[in-house]
Amino acid sequence: GDSVTQMEGPVTLSEEAFLTINCTYTATGYPSLFWYVQYPGEGLQLLLKATKADDKGSNKGFEATYRKETTSFHLEKGSVQVSDSAVYFCALSYNQGGKLIFGQGTELSVKP
Amino acid sequence: DAGVIQSPRHEVTEMGQEVTLRCKPISGHDYLFWYRQTMMRGLELLIYFNNNVPIDDSGMPEDRFSAKMPNASFSTLKIQPSEPRDSAVYFCASSSAGGYTDTQYFGPGTRLTVL
Repeated sequence: GDSVTQMEGPVTLSEEAFLTINCTYTATGYPSLFWYVQYPGEGLQLLLKATKADDKGSNKGFEATYRKETTSFHLEKGSVQVSDSAVYFCALSYNQGGKLIFGQGTELSVKP
Repeated sequence: DAGVIQSPRHEVTEMGQEVTLRCKPISGHDYLFWYRQTMMRGLELLIYFNNNVPIDDSGMPEDRFSAKMPNASFSTLKIQPSEPRDSAVYFCASSSAGGYTDTQYFGPGTRLTVL
C-alpha cells in the first residue's frame, strides 16, 4: 500500500546548523508531496509542497525537491533557528478528495 | 479568516461515556477531514466529507465512532461508548477543492483522555 517513511527523531541541532530530514514514499500513482510542521500545542500547518516530479517547494528557508527516481522528498534548511523546533511531517496525496498519508513525524530540537 | 475551529480543546472523560468533538471549517471550503494522532499509529485519516456528504469512512475504527456534517459550517465526531484506547488528539482539517494538490488547513486539535 501507499506509505511514507521519515527518518526517526528526535533530531537535535545547534542554532545555524544545516538540517536534513529524509523522507521516502511508496505510491501506486503520481502523488503530490507535502511537508507539514506542528509546533508545540498547535495543529499542523503546511510548510511546503510539490505537485510533480522535479518541482522544488520552498518556504521560510526550507526546501524540498520531488525526486521521482529515488521516490524521495527530503527537507533541508541551511541554517536552523531555535524557533524551528517542532515536529515535521512528510505526507503524500494523489486521490481525488486529497486524502493525506503521513509519515511518522520527526521531532526537531534546536539549541541556542 | 479565523481558521478551522475545534472544541473543546481538551476533554477528559470516563470509560463508557459519550464524547462529542466539534469542528467549524474555514468558510467556503467544501472538504472536511477528521484525523486522529496517537503515538502508536501516528496521524491517520478517519473520515472525510465533500459538500457535507461522507465520502470515505474507511478509517473509522469501529461502530463506536460516528461523524456527521449537518451543514457546511459544522461537523461532529462522536464516540459512544468511549474507551481508554480512544485517548488521542483529534484534528479537523478543511480544504477548498479537495484535489490532491490542495492544501489542507488544520485546526488546533482536541486532546481526548479517556480514563
